[in-house]
Amino acid sequence: DAGITQSPRHKVTETGTPVTLRCHQTENHRYMYWYRQDPGHGLRLIHYSYGVKDTDKGEVSDGYSVSRSKTEDFLLTLESATSSQTSVYFCAISKQTSGFSYNEQFFGPGTRLTVL
Amino acid sequence: DAKTTQPPSMDCAEGRAANLPCNHSTISGNEYVYWYRQIHSQGPQYIIHGLKNNETNEMASLIITEDRKSSTLILPHATLRDTAVYYCIVRVAYKLSFGAGTTVTVRA
Repeated sequence: DAGITQSPRHKVTETGTPVTLRCHQTENHRYMYWYRQDPGHGLRLIHYSYGVKDTDKGEVSDGYSVSRSKTEDFLLTLESATSSQTSVYFCAISKQTSGFSYNEQFFGPGTRLTVL
Repeated sequence: DAKTTQPPSMDCAEGRAANLPCNHSTISGNEYVYWYRQIHSQGPQYIIHGLKNNETNEMASLIITEDRKSSTLILPHATLRDTAVYYCIVRVAYKLSFGAGTTVTVRA
């Protein structure tokens, strides 16, 4: 357990509405990630952050934005939700402090989002 | 990044060792091999990682061939709670890429 919580855990929303998912960590790790998981696709990286206000795109970033105004929180926003964004969203943190020699990530419990 | 190939599924008897193979024939010299697993509906869980040498921790052992083109994750005494999808990942940077993995079913 790396002190990662996600909120909400479940959400049902309608097409076209904005949605924000929150990932919170208690251990002040530098790297945070958002993934989505869909049947047949495994986990796919949406966005990641390597520090406060430092973010970058992953492989499936279209339709998503992120913000990280403080170390402990990483927000994922769907500006206008679509049915294709129905998925399970996982947040992760990485405990490495420098270098990229390895990447042990710890995952949160997930948020199940349904867009009707 | 190197791609990995894993069998889609395998069964294992409870109490026996489970040997999970992974092929990564295009791996480059600075890429690590990581293993994660995902138990139904939960977030993925880190198991072990290695570069060249075999590694062991409280969860599993990782055997990497000398040419580094393949590896095997060994769960020494599988239990029913080890039923999960196991992912073999090869990566050098901080972005992991999860494939379909191997669905391991441990049977009593």
